[in-house]
Amino acid sequence: DIQMSQSPSSLSASIGDRVNITCRASQDVSIYLNWYQQQRGTAPKLLIYSTSIVQSGAPSRFRGSTSGTEFTLTISSLQPEDFATYYCQQSYNVPPTFGPGTTVDI
Amino acid sequence: QVQLQESGPGLVRPSETLSLTCTVSGGSIFSYYWSWIRQPPGKGLEWLGYVFSSGSAKYNPSLKSRVTISLDTSKNQFSLRLSSVTAADTAVYYCARGGYSDYAVPNWFDPWGQGTLVTVSS
Repeated sequence: DIQMSQSPSSLSASIGDRVNITCRASQDVSIYLNWYQQQRGTAPKLLIYSTSIVQSGAPSRFRGSTSGTEFTLTISSLQPEDFATYYCQQSYNVPPTFGPGTTVDI
Repeated sequence: QVQLQESGPGLVRPSETLSLTCTVSGGSIFSYYWSWIRQPPGKGLEWLGYVFSSGSAKYNPSLKSRVTISLDTSKNQFSLRLSSVTAADTAVYYCARGGYSDYAVPNWFDPWGQGTLVTVSS
């Protein structure tokens, strides 16, 4: 299985801050990396797929990028509804695997 | 807009079989990987498996032979069976639509059902 790691595991930020969350895979996953947002008590929602494509309906302040084996989710200006846990997930091979999550709180 | 809804018992006894159904509404069931994903309380996400619209299925090897996922196209439903459950199988179980790819790996998961908590306890 491909192991996914995320950093940091949690962070505190303020409204309007720029936030970066990093994800790494234990082996090459090409561009097949997705990001999900999970607000407390609700199901995860797809934010970004294939590294950098913003899912329809997701705000444009969310951006995905990659630099070699490292993938980054950037929130350009944190909004109140963005306080949540974010998961990366590889869709390169079976089984699809998720990172442990990064919790963004105030 | 596609919506998914899980249903099934919220309590299962140890060593018995967990059975859940996901009903798909508002869209076609064809050409997607219909998946089950679970999340133990306070923990991360684990993909259990999928059934493709052709009826073929693929499972997470970590569950060995305990999991079966099937599809009923006439009812727009797919189902999960997990046998020989233990307390470690206590989790919120989500059904989700997996995006089609040429490589038999779901491209993404969207949308998800709201999830249903299944507790394994005597």
